Amino acid sequence: QVQLQQSGPGLVKPSETLSLTCDVSGYSISSRYYWGWIRQPPGKGLEWIGFLSHSGDTNYNPSLRSRVTMSADMSKTHFSLKLTSVTSADTAVYYCAMTRSVRDPNWFDPWGQGTLVTVSS
Amino acid sequence: QSALTQPASVSGSPGESITISCTGTSSDVGGYPYVSWYQQHPGKAPKVIIYDVNNRPSGASNRFSGSKSGNAASLTISGLQAEDEADYYCSSYAGINTVVFGGGTKLTVL
Repeated sequence: QVQLQQSGPGLVKPSETLSLTCDVSGYSISSRYYWGWIRQPPGKGLEWIGFLSHSGDTNYNPSLRSRVTMSADMSKTHFSLKLTSVTSADTAVYYCAMTRSVRDPNWFDPWGQGTLVTVSS
Repeated sequence: QSALTQPASVSGSPGESITISCTGTSSDVGGYPYVSWYQQHPGKAPKVIIYDVNNRPSGASNRFSGSKSGNAASLTISGLQAEDEADYYCSSYAGINTVVFGGGTKLTVL
């Protein structure tokens, strides 16, 4: 059974870089599928941030592309999100998720537990 | 890349059926057979209940069903139960390995 466990700071100062990690157990990131990040501002809807393929290719939301970087470690047990130059608009619960299909990278299952990241000085 | 359009809220009584719409464009919903639906209870991570327009993942209730016509997709929940009260989100593949979500619909079971 695949499980995703997120970690990272819950408070980031404006203009700094948000960094989150998603530890994967029960599956190797390098085997197959896509590994994604989705966020949800308080009281609002979901926003796709991007994903990383099993081979290391990345695809990002055009609205965030200039500030986002996703990567995976060489042991392929976790993948990471970095978002630079954050503002209060980046305050949200951030989720990592696995996609269940190579042809349909829109089927996210399972999800991490979520990390509330607040941007504030 | 604009968010898909969903009604802000819907409601129904126990035992009834409700339908939630999700409207996009020919560049997302209308262009691919890849629409998913997620259920989110307060304080919890979303959970997929429908993928590829009308497929249920293992463990999802057969009271959930999905469909699509043109640029619009729909989620129908039959035999409403109190536990169905939650937020529901649609999502669609939008080409060039991008994904777009709907704004979400709050379901109230009366």
